[in-house]
Amino acid sequence: QSALTQPASVSGSPGQSITISCTGTSNDVGGYNHVSWYQHHAGKAPKLIIYEVTNWPSGVSHRFSGSKSGNTASLTISGLQAEDEADYYCSSYTSSNTRVFGGGTRLTVL
Amino acid sequence: EVQLVESGGGLVQPGRSLRLSCAASGFTFEVYAMHWVRQAPGKGLEWVSSINWDTEGIDYADSVKGRFTISRDNAKNSLYLQMNSLRVEDTALYYCAKDRAYSLDYWGQGTLVTVSS
Repeated sequence: QSALTQPASVSGSPGQSITISCTGTSNDVGGYNHVSWYQHHAGKAPKLIIYEVTNWPSGVSHRFSGSKSGNTASLTISGLQAEDEADYYCSSYTSSNTRVFGGGTRLTVL
Repeated sequence: EVQLVESGGGLVQPGRSLRLSCAASGFTFEVYAMHWVRQAPGKGLEWVSSINWDTEGIDYADSVKGRFTISRDNAKNSLYLQMNSLRVEDTALYYCAKDRAYSLDYWGQGTLVTVSS
């Protein structure tokens, strides 16, 4: 159950777009369309922003979008805003019927 | 409004036990799978365990298998995590979360578990 691989940090200026990658294996990310993304502000509960690779929960901004190619999933945030500054985690269902998270990516809005 | 409220955390010595609870409201608890996820200080999220709506499907992370037991009481809209043989590395903020299409769509605020002598 190794964690999915995410970059430790990314940054961008307001209005720009950034992409966060999430690399796993054929036993998790590559084997299923059960990838989800979470936004986590310190001291608050994590928030689901993408599920099943590309879908938005009700009320989530469509500035967040997800995709997947092979064993790598990606989260793109367009039109960066100051409030997007947070930690972002990917997660996947696995062939062992468990879940695995990525190590997390700290987004800094410059 | 969906609400998940964890309780039961605290300071405990290595080797001892602790039982966490999660009180759910605002949705039909008995039809959804539930999860426990933890975050150690300064670290990322780690999935701990999940339980299906009917308790027939239960899974654990390798790091807690054999020491932790997940359970639920649908009549009380409650989720539990019995943690035995606690280790220093189990120190973390423990969240309960509701399942939705292989994702976790609602999370509680967490309860802090500190394992230290």
